[in-house]
Amino acid sequence: EVELKESGGGLVQPGGSLRLSCVASGFTFNSYDMNWVRQAPGRGLEYISYISNSGETTYYADSVQGRFTISRDNAQNSLFLQMNSLRAEDTGVYYCTRDGLPYWGQGTLVTVSS
Amino acid sequence: DIQMTQSPSSLSASVGDTVTITCRASQNINNYLNWYQQKPGEAPKLLIYAASSLHSGVPSRFLGSGSGTDYSLTINSLQPEDVATYYCQQSYYTPRGFGGGTKVDIK
Repeated sequence: EVELKESGGGLVQPGGSLRLSCVASGFTFNSYDMNWVRQAPGRGLEYISYISNSGETTYYADSVQGRFTISRDNAQNSLFLQMNSLRAEDTGVYYCTRDGLPYWGQGTLVTVSS
Repeated sequence: DIQMTQSPSSLSASVGDTVTITCRASQNINNYLNWYQQKPGEAPKLLIYAASSLHSGVPSRFLGSGSGTDYSLTINSLQPEDVATYYCQQSYYTPRGFGGGTKVDIK
Protein backbone atom coordinates (compact mmCIF):
# COMPACT_ATOMS: atom_id res chain seq x y z
CA GLU A 1 0.00 0.00 0.00
CA VAL A 2 1.32 3.44 -0.96
CA GLU A 3 1.78 5.75 2.01
CA LEU A 4 3.14 9.25 2.38
CA LYS A 5 3.56 10.63 5.87
CA GLU A 6 4.50 14.26 6.50
CA SER A 7 5.99 15.65 9.68
CA GLY A 8 7.77 18.74 10.93
CA GLY A 9 4.97 21.27 11.01
CA GLY A 10 4.27 23.51 13.96
CA LEU A 11 4.09 27.06 15.25
CA VAL A 12 6.92 29.36 14.22
CA GLN A 13 7.46 33.10 14.47
CA PRO A 14 7.65 35.28 11.34
CA GLY A 15 11.17 35.13 9.95
CA GLY A 16 11.75 31.68 11.40
CA SER A 17 12.47 28.34 9.74
CA LEU A 18 10.99 24.88 9.61
CA ARG A 19 11.98 21.68 7.82
CA LEU A 20 9.18 19.44 6.64
CA SER A 21 9.75 15.76 5.97
CA CYS A 22 7.74 13.19 4.07
CA VAL A 23 8.47 9.49 4.39
CA ALA A 24 7.26 7.29 1.54
CA SER A 25 6.48 3.60 1.53
CA GLY A 26 4.76 1.04 -0.66
CA PHE A 27 6.38 2.08 -3.95
CA THR A 28 9.80 2.53 -5.54
CA PHE A 29 10.48 6.06 -4.32
CA ASN A 30 13.43 6.77 -6.63
CA SER A 31 11.25 6.18 -9.69
CA TYR A 32 8.83 9.01 -8.99
CA ASP A 33 8.90 12.78 -9.19
CA MET A 34 7.50 14.39 -6.04
CA ASN A 35 5.76 17.63 -5.09
CA TRP A 36 4.71 19.86 -2.24
CA VAL A 37 1.24 21.43 -2.24
CA ARG A 38 -0.16 23.72 0.44
CA GLN A 39 -3.54 25.00 1.48
CA ALA A 40 -4.08 28.16 3.49
CA PRO A 41 -7.03 28.14 5.91
CA GLY A 42 -10.29 28.36 3.97
CA ARG A 43 -8.48 28.61 0.63
CA GLY A 44 -7.82 26.40 -2.38
CA LEU A 45 -4.86 24.21 -3.21
CA GLU A 46 -1.57 25.89 -4.12
CA TYR A 47 1.19 23.99 -5.93
CA ILE A 48 4.51 25.19 -4.53
CA SER A 49 7.39 22.88 -5.40
CA TYR A 50 8.55 19.93 -7.53
CA ILE A 51 11.57 17.66 -7.61
CA SER A 52 12.45 15.08 -10.24
CA ASN A 53 13.07 11.47 -9.26
CA SER A 54 16.84 11.96 -9.37
CA GLY A 55 16.71 15.27 -7.56
CA GLU A 56 18.38 17.05 -10.48
CA THR A 57 15.41 19.22 -11.46
CA THR A 58 13.43 21.40 -9.12
CA TYR A 59 10.69 24.03 -9.41
CA TYR A 60 9.36 26.66 -7.03
CA ALA A 61 6.29 28.84 -7.18
CA ASP A 62 7.02 32.55 -7.16
CA SER A 63 5.46 32.78 -3.69
CA VAL A 64 8.24 30.63 -2.15
CA GLN A 65 11.14 31.08 -4.58
CA GLY A 66 14.34 31.99 -2.75
CA ARG A 67 12.95 31.03 0.67
CA PHE A 68 12.04 27.34 0.34
CA THR A 69 14.27 24.45 -0.78
CA ILE A 70 13.01 21.04 -1.85
CA SER A 71 15.26 18.00 -1.60
CA ARG A 72 15.07 14.24 -1.36
CA ASP A 73 17.04 11.28 -0.01
CA ASN A 74 16.23 8.30 -2.18
CA ALA A 75 18.15 5.95 0.12
CA GLN A 76 15.83 6.92 2.97
CA ASN A 77 12.64 7.18 0.83
CA SER A 78 12.25 10.74 2.07
CA LEU A 79 11.25 14.13 0.69
CA PHE A 80 12.04 17.40 2.42
CA LEU A 81 11.02 21.05 2.32
CA GLN A 82 13.31 23.52 4.05
CA MET A 83 11.33 26.69 4.73
CA ASN A 84 13.19 29.86 5.70
CA SER A 85 12.12 33.48 6.23
CA LEU A 86 8.60 32.32 6.97
CA ARG A 87 5.72 34.76 6.67
CA ALA A 88 2.17 34.79 8.01
CA GLU A 89 0.92 33.98 4.52
CA ASP A 90 2.85 30.69 4.60
CA THR A 91 0.39 29.41 7.21
CA GLY A 92 -1.49 26.33 6.08
CA VAL A 93 -1.48 22.60 5.65
CA TYR A 94 1.42 21.25 3.61
CA TYR A 95 0.96 18.08 1.59
CA CYS A 96 3.56 15.81 0.05
CA THR A 97 2.31 14.30 -3.23
CA ARG A 98 3.57 11.71 -5.68
CA ASP A 99 3.50 12.10 -9.46
CA GLY A 100 2.21 9.46 -11.87
CA LEU A 101 -0.87 7.94 -10.32
CA PRO A 102 -1.08 10.63 -7.65
CA TYR A 103 -0.97 9.89 -3.96
CA TRP A 104 -1.14 12.43 -1.14
CA GLY A 105 -0.11 12.42 2.45
CA GLN A 106 -2.42 13.57 5.24
CA GLY A 107 -0.61 16.88 5.55
CA THR A 108 1.21 18.77 8.27
CA LEU A 109 0.07 22.12 9.65
CA VAL A 110 2.40 25.08 9.60
CA THR A 111 1.39 28.17 11.56
CA VAL A 112 3.45 31.34 11.26
CA SER A 113 2.50 33.77 13.98
CA SER A 114 4.01 35.87 16.73
CA ASP B 1 2.33 28.53 -16.57
CA ILE B 2 -0.83 26.64 -17.53
CA GLN B 3 -3.98 28.24 -16.15
CA MET B 4 -6.77 25.95 -14.97
CA THR B 5 -10.21 27.57 -15.01
CA GLN B 6 -12.80 25.61 -13.07
CA SER B 7 -16.55 26.33 -13.02
CA PRO B 8 -18.84 26.85 -11.34
CA SER B 9 -17.23 27.95 -8.09
CA SER B 10 -20.19 26.55 -6.20
CA LEU B 11 -23.40 24.68 -6.86
CA SER B 12 -26.38 23.40 -4.95
CA ALA B 13 -28.36 20.40 -6.13
CA SER B 14 -30.86 17.88 -4.85
CA VAL B 15 -30.14 14.30 -3.87
CA GLY B 16 -30.39 12.19 -7.01
CA ASP B 17 -29.52 15.02 -9.38
CA THR B 18 -26.73 14.86 -11.93
CA VAL B 19 -24.15 17.62 -11.58
CA THR B 20 -21.28 18.58 -13.86
CA ILE B 21 -18.13 20.54 -13.06
CA THR B 22 -15.92 21.78 -15.86
CA CYS B 23 -12.22 22.55 -16.04
CA ARG B 24 -10.50 24.35 -18.90
CA ALA B 25 -6.74 24.44 -19.38
CA SER B 26 -5.01 27.31 -21.14
CA GLN B 27 -3.13 24.81 -23.31
CA ASN B 28 -3.58 21.21 -24.43
CA ILE B 29 -2.77 18.95 -21.47
CA ASN B 30 -3.19 15.67 -23.35
CA ASN B 31 -5.60 14.13 -20.82
CA TYR B 32 -3.18 14.63 -17.91
CA LEU B 33 -6.06 15.76 -15.74
CA ASN B 34 -6.91 14.64 -12.22
CA TRP B 35 -10.04 15.29 -10.15
CA TYR B 36 -10.02 15.40 -6.34
CA GLN B 37 -12.69 15.55 -3.67
CA GLN B 38 -11.92 17.33 -0.42
CA LYS B 39 -14.07 17.34 2.69
CA PRO B 40 -13.42 19.79 5.54
CA GLY B 41 -10.43 18.85 7.66
CA GLU B 42 -9.35 16.10 5.29
CA ALA B 43 -6.68 15.72 2.63
CA PRO B 44 -7.85 15.74 -1.00
CA LYS B 45 -8.94 12.33 -2.22
CA LEU B 46 -8.24 11.26 -5.80
CA LEU B 47 -11.39 10.45 -7.79
CA ILE B 48 -10.32 10.44 -11.43
CA TYR B 49 -6.89 10.35 -13.08
CA ALA B 50 -5.88 10.64 -16.72
CA ALA B 51 -9.12 12.50 -17.40
CA SER B 52 -11.41 9.48 -17.29
CA SER B 53 -9.89 6.67 -15.21
CA LEU B 54 -11.77 5.94 -12.00
CA HIS B 55 -9.44 5.53 -9.02
CA SER B 56 -9.75 2.33 -7.03
CA GLY B 57 -12.63 2.34 -4.56
CA VAL B 58 -14.34 5.42 -6.00
CA PRO B 59 -18.07 4.97 -6.67
CA SER B 60 -19.01 4.56 -10.30
CA ARG B 61 -21.36 7.57 -10.13
CA PHE B 62 -18.26 9.73 -10.61
CA LEU B 63 -17.41 10.11 -14.29
CA GLY B 64 -14.56 12.02 -15.89
CA SER B 65 -14.43 13.04 -19.53
CA GLY B 66 -12.82 15.45 -21.92
CA SER B 67 -9.73 15.98 -24.01
CA GLY B 68 -7.38 18.67 -25.21
CA THR B 69 -8.12 21.70 -23.07
CA ASP B 70 -11.66 20.93 -21.85
CA TYR B 71 -12.58 18.42 -19.16
CA SER B 72 -15.52 17.66 -16.93
CA LEU B 73 -16.45 15.74 -13.82
CA THR B 74 -20.00 14.42 -13.65
CA ILE B 75 -21.60 13.12 -10.49
CA ASN B 76 -24.57 10.95 -11.33
CA SER B 77 -27.29 10.63 -8.69
CA LEU B 78 -25.77 13.04 -6.16
CA GLN B 79 -25.59 11.61 -2.64
CA PRO B 80 -25.40 13.44 0.72
CA GLU B 81 -21.85 12.13 1.22
CA ASP B 82 -20.78 13.92 -1.99
CA VAL B 83 -20.96 17.30 -0.24
CA ALA B 84 -17.39 18.52 -0.63
CA THR B 85 -15.12 20.78 -2.64
CA TYR B 86 -13.85 19.39 -5.92
CA TYR B 87 -10.58 20.37 -7.61
CA CYS B 88 -9.07 19.64 -10.99
CA GLN B 89 -5.29 19.48 -11.51
CA GLN B 90 -3.22 19.18 -14.65
CA SER B 91 -0.12 16.98 -14.44
CA TYR B 92 1.30 17.46 -17.95
CA TYR B 93 3.34 20.57 -17.25
CA THR B 94 5.28 21.85 -14.25
CA PRO B 95 3.88 23.63 -12.28
CA ARG B 96 1.05 21.12 -11.94
CA GLY B 97 -1.57 23.73 -11.19
CA PHE B 98 -5.05 23.39 -9.76
CA GLY B 99 -8.42 24.81 -10.61
CA GLY B 100 -9.98 27.14 -8.09
CA GLY B 101 -12.37 24.52 -6.73
CA THR B 102 -16.10 23.86 -6.84
CA LYS B 103 -18.05 23.65 -3.60
CA VAL B 104 -20.97 21.23 -3.91
CA ASP B 105 -23.80 21.12 -1.42
CA ILE B 106 -27.29 19.71 -1.13
CA LYS B 107 -30.43 21.81 -1.55
